Amino acid sequence: DIHMTQSPSSLSASVGDRLTITCRPNQNIYNYLNWYQQKPGKAPRLLIYAASSLQSGVPSRFSGSGSGTDFTLTITSLQPEDFATYYCQQTFSSPPTFGPGTKVDI
Amino acid sequence: QVQLQESGPGLVKPSETLSLTCTVSGVSISSYYWSWIRQSAGKGLEWIGRIVISGSTNYNPSLKSRVAMSADTSKNQFSLKLTSVTAADTAVYYCARWFASESDVYDCDIWGQGTMVTVSP
Repeated sequence: DIHMTQSPSSLSASVGDRLTITCRPNQNIYNYLNWYQQKPGKAPRLLIYAASSLQSGVPSRFSGSGSGTDFTLTITSLQPEDFATYYCQQTFSSPPTFGPGTKVDI
Repeated sequence: QVQLQESGPGLVKPSETLSLTCTVSGVSISSYYWSWIRQSAGKGLEWIGRIVISGSTNYNPSLKSRVAMSADTSKNQFSLKLTSVTAADTAVYYCARWFASESDVYDCDIWGQGTMVTVSP
């Protein structure tokens, strides 16, 4: 299985901040990388697919970049509703695997 | 719009079989792939497997010997069975659409709300 790491594991931020979360698989996954947002008691929500494509309905302050073994999720101007846990997922190789998550709180 | 809803027992005894159903509305299940994912405190998010209505399935090797997925097009539902459960199978179970984007990268674009399953005597 491809092992995914995320950094940081948690961070504290303020409304209006710019955030960057990193995801690193242990092998090349090209652009087969998705990002999800999860709030307590809710299902994950797809934000970014194929490393950099914004899912329909997701605000443009979310963006993704990277390829291979180094990926980034960026949130510009953090909003109150963005405080959540963020997960990356690789779908290059079966089984698809998720990162451990990055919790963003105030 | 497309909606998914999990249903099934919230409590299963050790060594018994966990059975869950996902009811899909807004689209025919025949048109897409569908998946099950679970989330536990100990293991985070874990992809269980996926099914397409042609009968093709793909399971996580870590669970393959205990997992079976099936679909019922007449009810627009798909199901998960996990046998010989232990406390380690206690988790929130989600069903989701397994969707290929225009760049041919699969993702879980629509999720059910999830259902908590506890394995306990």
